[in-house]
Amino acid sequence: NAGVTQTPKFQVLKTGQSMTLQCAQDMNHEYMSWYRQDPGMGLRLIHYSVGAGITDQGEVPNGYNVSRSTTEDFPLRLLSAAPSQTSVYFCASTSWEPGNTIYFGEGSWLTVV
Amino acid sequence: AQSVAQPEDQVNVAEGNPLTVKCTYSVSGNPYLFWYVQYPNRGLQFLLKYITGDNLVKGSYGFEAEFNKSQTSFHLKKPSALVSDSALYFCAVRSNTNAGKSTFGDGTTLTVKP
Repeated sequence: NAGVTQTPKFQVLKTGQSMTLQCAQDMNHEYMSWYRQDPGMGLRLIHYSVGAGITDQGEVPNGYNVSRSTTEDFPLRLLSAAPSQTSVYFCASTSWEPGNTIYFGEGSWLTVV
Repeated sequence: AQSVAQPEDQVNVAEGNPLTVKCTYSVSGNPYLFWYVQYPNRGLQFLLKYITGDNLVKGSYGFEAEFNKSQTSFHLKKPSALVSDSALYFCAVRSNTNAGKSTFGDGTTLTVKP
């Protein structure tokens, strides 16, 4: 029972580089989302998806891109990394039913130098 | 718009004492409330949730939470704190009128001292 799987766990990027954080879930959840967590800032929603082919912006979408070609996968792309994107990133998934638990990945620690 | 407030950034308690981590919420429609715990360098783990029914909800690791509709609160409690309970706690709300969107509080750091 894998749940939500994120890769990589750790990554160091140089300013201007691009990369993709991978997220996969095996629970057939419709709803997937990406958060970033910075000290003292709680969780901030970057992008979310309510189903394959449908994505929308969250609170802090600038500099990030997402796509949802399958129910299982929801990759997050950093287009041109900036030091301000140094953070911990969490992928989450849940179903439409609001009483269902939200499941989180273990996180991806990203440093941009 | 729905929102969650965790009014305390930090809560300190002595081991063996009762603990409370506060959460209030604002939502249209019926609230579905959650508590999560995050240990250092880990993801968020589900503790408990309120959907409907009994206002006192019991969850993992001896935690419980009380739903109070009139005060729009969902405080997390434990009768006797352990040092191992030290972690970051998040309250979250979902609603049946907002397409299941989740809103999280900013988190409360709980420190339990021996």
